[in-house]
Amino acid sequence: EVQLVQSGAEVIQPGESLKISCQASGYNFDNYWIGWVRQMPGKGLEWMGMIYPGDSDTSYSPSFQGQVTISADKSISTVYLQWSGVRASDTAMYFCASQGRRGFGSGSYPYWGQGTLITVSS
Amino acid sequence: DIQMTQSPSSLSASVGDRATITCRTSQNIRNHLNWYQQKPGKAPKLLIHGASSLQSGVSSSFNGSGSGTEFTLSINTLHPEDLGTYYCQQSYSAPYTFGQGTKLEIK
Repeated sequence: EVQLVQSGAEVIQPGESLKISCQASGYNFDNYWIGWVRQMPGKGLEWMGMIYPGDSDTSYSPSFQGQVTISADKSISTVYLQWSGVRASDTAMYFCASQGRRGFGSGSYPYWGQGTLITVSS
Repeated sequence: DIQMTQSPSSLSASVGDRATITCRTSQNIRNHLNWYQQKPGKAPKLLIHGASSLQSGVSSSFNGSGSGTEFTLSINTLHPEDLGTYYCQQSYSAPYTFGQGTKLEIK
């Protein structure tokens, strides 16, 4: 069974650094893209970027390029999303989502994590 | 970036009705269009990929159609559990943009 398990909710102050995680299991982690999706309170889904864990190739939405960093650790089948200094506008739910198996393109996600809620507040 | 225009933004229908949601893209994406359902407080769920392929385990009440720049998601017979917000997403070229969402209310 494919599972994506995300790290827990965070309450963090503006300007602090943050790294959240998404651990995959049940499929060949190296060979399928994993994306990150933001959902601000009461709003829609926004595609942030993605990573191919096999070679750590990344692609970012222009809206998020330079604002976040996506990385992967193949040894523990985990993908990360990090900020060097969060802002109040980063308050949102963040989902990881995986291509997960053959038959789906790099931007099609049959598998999703449960979401990580980030609250930025002083 | 490819722009997505989804309509309507909200929809209210009765159990047993048919509901239709439309998604238009700013450029030809062939059939690289996905539909997701999101229930409150939950992660999105893939319903349709490749514009018309029903994801495994999804009710056959859901039907996707279209190609190029115009796509449709139909729910043929509404059930109470179909409430939620529906999103289209293009997977033709990164960034893989989503539509604005359609909130479906069951009367």
